[in-house]
Amino acid sequence: GESVGLHLPTLSVQEGDNSIINCAYSNSASDYFIWYKQESGKGPQFIIDIRSNMDKRQGQRVTVLLNKTVKHLSLQIAATQPGDSAVYFCAEISAGNNRKLIWGLGTSLAVNP
Amino acid sequence: GAVVSQHPSRVICKSGTSVKIECRSLDFQATTMFWYRQFPKQSLMLMATSNEGSKATYEQGVEKDKFLINHASLTLSTLTVTSAHPEDSSFYICSAGRRSNQPQHFGDGTRLSIL
Repeated sequence: GESVGLHLPTLSVQEGDNSIINCAYSNSASDYFIWYKQESGKGPQFIIDIRSNMDKRQGQRVTVLLNKTVKHLSLQIAATQPGDSAVYFCAEISAGNNRKLIWGLGTSLAVNP
Repeated sequence: GAVVSQHPSRVICKSGTSVKIECRSLDFQATTMFWYRQFPKQSLMLMATSNEGSKATYEQGVEKDKFLINHASLTLSTLTVTSAHPEDSSFYICSAGRRSNQPQHFGDGTRLSIL
């Protein structure tokens, strides 16, 4: 299947620190990547995206880095706040996959005050 | 504000009941919507792709007669869980995107609990 039923890894950071969440994607033909944030009991919320012709993109307090050589994606959150506590998913879209999202396993971010 | 609305947010019902979940795109037309299922502390699992005006495309292992999908308009897709049983209890989420090369937006999910 396109997602695997494993328990989520957890990243714990202190408030104010920077967070880095990593994701290994599966398909070298994927050309579009998205980071989503999911709070408990809610649907995923779009954070930032990046296309395969870029290796870095910045938003407000967030930066996404794409390394196509090793099929690696990362999300950097600056000055992490308690409200950033959530599960973060990376997702990829392959040009030949009917534009379906392929989901990563997710990382649970816990921000300690 | 929300661009995809999902309703209801929570359903608790007896075994054997059929449950309908609605997914609406609020300010754009969506020829394609997606239905997901999510178990606690796991990633989203794609169940099916809902296609406006045609049959849904189901992922392998998803029973199309169990999970009926109707996409009768460009802003509404429905998922009906027929004759639901406790093992169907889960968090169901829909999504839609303005274009295939733009991010999908998600509803807030429906927590389905079958007693």
